Amino acid sequence: DQQVKQNSPSLSVQEGRISILNCDYTNSMFDYFLWYKKYPAEGPTFLISISSIKDKNEDGRFTVFLNKSAKHLSLHIVPSQPGDSAVYFCAASESGNNRLAFGKGNQVVVIP
Amino acid sequence: DTGVSQNPRHKITKRGQNVTFRCDPISEHNRLYWYRQTLGQGPEFLTYFQNEAQLEKSRLLSDRFSAERPKGSFSTLEIQRTEQGDSAMYLCASSLAGVGTEAFFGQGTRLTVV
Repeated sequence: DQQVKQNSPSLSVQEGRISILNCDYTNSMFDYFLWYKKYPAEGPTFLISISSIKDKNEDGRFTVFLNKSAKHLSLHIVPSQPGDSAVYFCAASESGNNRLAFGKGNQVVVIP
Repeated sequence: DTGVSQNPRHKITKRGQNVTFRCDPISEHNRLYWYRQTLGQGPEFLTYFQNEAQLEKSRLLSDRFSAERPKGSFSTLEIQRTEQGDSAMYLCASSLAGVGTEAFFGQGTRLTVV
């Protein structure tokens, strides 16, 4: 069963505009959420995370929003840059267990 | 380079052969994870270690799979009697134990079973 779901498998956005990626989860025990970025033939690279005690975390151009009641989180990238073109994975874990459950990923293409 | 290191990067093997992959985690990390990723999917958890103890194994990890982490340092993942369905990217990650610690991934080993 897919506990972390990412719909809209691909997204194209113009350079300089905002990219918004969405993620839904079903396990109410999840309390730590992460976004990873992956280039072809490389392992996932950690991007940003958020704890369930927060509803927003910002790091430079990247902001993650968490809506616990809706079991939904989103990643905003603004402004988008061509180097942001990659697959983005949403992941979640429970306290005391770093095992991550991943979504299927979103392909982002930033058009120069 | 102080990141997670995996060897080999690529492995092509004939069906029925055994293969072994190695992962060297970030030195101060006491947790080590193995994940498997197939095309169009996100990484799927296989197993993890805290120091040398294997604390959890996924039901995805059949009897043909075995992982070790002697002395709590590097880890090996062995697949016996490989099948074509084992073809995937095998990812290793490491982290510190505790809440709110992110896992850092290696570049993966791409296994192709022919």
